[in-house]
Amino acid sequence: GAVVSQHPSRVICKSGTSVKIECRSLDFQATTMFWYRQFPKQSLMLMATSNEGSKATYEQGVEKDKFLINHASLTLSTLTVTSAHPEDSSFYICSATRGPSNQPQHFGDGTRLSIL
Amino acid sequence: RKEVEQDPGPFNVPEGATVAFNCTYSNSASQSFFWYRQDCRKEPKLLMSVYSSGNEDGRFTAQLNRASQYISLLIRDSKLSDSATYLCVVNFYNQGGKLIFGQGTELSVKP
Repeated sequence: GAVVSQHPSRVICKSGTSVKIECRSLDFQATTMFWYRQFPKQSLMLMATSNEGSKATYEQGVEKDKFLINHASLTLSTLTVTSAHPEDSSFYICSATRGPSNQPQHFGDGTRLSIL
Repeated sequence: RKEVEQDPGPFNVPEGATVAFNCTYSNSASQSFFWYRQDCRKEPKLLMSVYSSGNEDGRFTAQLNRASQYISLLIRDSKLSDSATYLCVVNFYNQGGKLIFGQGTELSVKP
């Protein structure tokens, strides 16, 4: 069964809206979670590393004020796309590792975001 | 140069065929390696980890050559259900488990 849950799975909203996406580890604690973005016909690109109890680490070119990450507990990380615009439309996926960081990561179902 | 590069696709093969995917990575500090499978509009799912000694899981065989920084995946006796995009993934666990994905190779298995 799923070990990482992501919600919502689909969001359609107007330009200028802020959208919050949740990522939960279901039966384990995850001090680190990862947020990826995938545009059509492209591979996943890491956006940021979410660290429980501290600031997220953003990849080069990812605006931290645009993509707010909060990892307030060992089982929940949230990504908020602030003032979303059509170019933010994408497939957003989170992941977490059960155990040491060299182990495979488990992915959430993904959130398909469409900004009109 | 991309950190992880894969064969360009798509691969179109008949059922029962054997197909091989190749992947190279540029960072010798890369620590662990995986093949993930992604179906259209779905999240990636782990297919198998890749070990230095090579490993097999049913019809799937993965190989790693650290000296050449090369990873491969062999699929024998292809099934229609194998149609998907296969992602070569490198884990930098000395960077907290950061994953770098190849661009993916699309496989289409035809009847």
